Amino acid sequence: IAGITQAPTSQILAAGRRMTLRCTQDMRHNAMYWYRQDLGLGLRLIHYSNTAGTTGKGEVPDGYSVSRANTDDFPLTLASAVPSQTSVYFCASSRGNEQFFGPGTRLTVL
Amino acid sequence: AQSVAQPEDQVNVAEGNPLTVKCTYSVSGNPYLFWYVQYPNRGLQFLLKYITGDNLVKGSYGFEAEFNKSQTSFHLKKPSALVSDSALYFCAVRDVNRDDKIIFGKGTRLHILP
Repeated sequence: IAGITQAPTSQILAAGRRMTLRCTQDMRHNAMYWYRQDLGLGLRLIHYSNTAGTTGKGEVPDGYSVSRANTDDFPLTLASAVPSQTSVYFCASSRGNEQFFGPGTRLTVL
Repeated sequence: AQSVAQPEDQVNVAEGNPLTVKCTYSVSGNPYLFWYVQYPNRGLQFLLKYITGDNLVKGSYGFEAEFNKSQTSFHLKKPSALVSDSALYFCAVRDVNRDDKIIFGKGTRLHILP
């Protein structure tokens, strides 16, 4: 693994289903982030974690939860997906002032 | 609260001409400023950052940006555009006096016309 990986690459999900998006980094960065990217809205921060064991809410946290059990992994869970959560989701990590982004997960909720 | 604005949804430039992508910001303290580029179906890639020091910052692929404190701007520039520069560009800001959260603008789509 080099950098940040996200899984799955894409997913079509029925409304009401539970879904976890996975994110793993091998750079030993302390801080990690989840963003959603929507046309005309840019990137909006969902949740973040400054270090393992801590998490915080971003701009649009409702309907999403995260955990940070260790430095490398930062999964994002949709407990009961809704169509408005259709988006492209990006995970990122940082050490210092530069953020590194994963390739994204395209999620469609029907 | 910190914020960043990219007033142009799209910028069209002829190949070989200089390009500018505009960004203004608002923070309560001193800013850290960033530019990222996103190519189709890819994640964001770091281009350059301003932390302190010289107001003109040079970054990847021949891009540069000028920090202007009085105008609260951080416009991205390149002297001679390439068709391969066509992409989505994001400006971002972090307030030095706050936590690690970086706020992104809505993005500007740059089209370089051959």
